[in-house]
Amino acid sequence: DSGVTQTPKHLITATGQRVTLRCSPRSGDLSVYWYQQSLDQGLQFLIQYYNGEERAKGNILERFSAQQFPDLHSELNLSSLELGDSALYFCASSVGGGSTYNEQFFGPGTRLTVL
Amino acid sequence: AQKITQTQPGMFVQEKEAVTLDCTYDTSDPSYGLFWYKQPSSGEMIFLIYQGSYDQQNATEGRYSLNFQKARKSANLVISASQLGDSAMYFCAMRGEDSSYKLIFGSGTRLLVRP
Repeated sequence: DSGVTQTPKHLITATGQRVTLRCSPRSGDLSVYWYQQSLDQGLQFLIQYYNGEERAKGNILERFSAQQFPDLHSELNLSSLELGDSALYFCASSVGGGSTYNEQFFGPGTRLTVL
Repeated sequence: AQKITQTQPGMFVQEKEAVTLDCTYDTSDPSYGLFWYKQPSSGEMIFLIYQGSYDQQNATEGRYSLNFQKARKSANLVISASQLGDSAMYFCAMRGEDSSYKLIFGSGTRLLVRP
């Protein structure tokens, strides 16, 4: 158990809908990262938050947004869902930036299926 | 631009034998970190081992060791005494060059351990 929790574990929804994925980082970790794993794109970085502030953006669609709350948990919001958004969404956490070594601990993932 | 390349989509190894999973990387940052993660069929991402670019010694963690050849830009994972439970996807990753410390992943190698 990495100490990172993600809910829900599975999510099945229809095209055009909106969903929210939730992540709680390990105790003491200030950074939260979101990654998407799909068959055609592999594992891709979406966005990072550090202590409540957006730190970096990757290949995140405009239909997707995220935030990190004062208690450091994070939510990833996916809207106007398309079939191609079906993927495994991981949240990872780390203590933070400032050093080369920045081991990220991954949550169990949320498997999103868009029908 | 940073890139991680894993050229072996799939590999077989006999139980109790050693296996090497290849990873090459490209970066212009003189200070970088390389990671290996294991993803079993259950889906979670498990951190295995880390190598920093300035580390003098090759990293080792139990049955995992990293064959780090800086001049060749390679960071191959060696698993000794393979076990059936080692059957999984293995991802090589690199810390991003920007301040986000996001991870950039290779396409992965699927390892199957034969009894």
